[in-house]
Amino acid sequence: DAMVIQNPRYQVTQFGKPVTLSCSQTLNHNVMYWYQQKSSQAPKLLFHYYDKDFNNEADTPDNFQSRRPNTSFCFLDIRSPGLGDAAMYLCATSRDLGGQTQYFGPGTRLLVL
Amino acid sequence: DQQVKQNSPSLSVQEGRISILNCDYTNSMFDYFLWYKKYPAEGPTFLISISSIKDKNEDGRFTVFLNKSAKHLSLHIVPSQPGDSAVYFCAASGGLGNAGNMLTFGGGTRLMVKP
Repeated sequence: DAMVIQNPRYQVTQFGKPVTLSCSQTLNHNVMYWYQQKSSQAPKLLFHYYDKDFNNEADTPDNFQSRRPNTSFCFLDIRSPGLGDAAMYLCATSRDLGGQTQYFGPGTRLLVL
Repeated sequence: DQQVKQNSPSLSVQEGRISILNCDYTNSMFDYFLWYKKYPAEGPTFLISISSIKDKNEDGRFTVFLNKSAKHLSLHIVPSQPGDSAVYFCAASGGLGNAGNMLTFGGGTRLMVKP
């Protein structure tokens, strides 16, 4: 049973055309995270929500925004994708903060043409 | 400054033998450590974790060892199977403030288990 679901699995967009990636969870976890992963590098945290409290990483570009309308859903909006934004985008959840295991979705691979 | 390092980008092991994946960290505030496995085009899958109050945790074929004095942890897979071929990431969390709640990932080690 899928616990962290990401749609779509593959997304193609055009340079500069806004795109939204979605994530949903059935775990009822308080925290949801968005990561960017390029090639086989370590996942890079973009931001996270603790319930409705949004926390942006200091080096996350303004081009990346997020919304969490309810506990189950979280969206990643890329306002003007550049070629350098092509990557795998991973959503993860944890029950709480601090020493908690994070559970990842399958990821959305974004291609920017 | 990489706080979590996996110095071996790849490892090749024969089926049935032991796989040992290593991870070093520099932040003495880390107190919770995890291993994730990642297949191509999929998200990381949680494998096993260990808190700093332990030095060993075992789950089936997977055992994680933590050496706090050396700031080193390792993942042992015995016996290794071809289906274990994947990229393995170690991750750590702990410390003060909001940053302590986040996971810091190593760069990953690609394990190849040959039949």
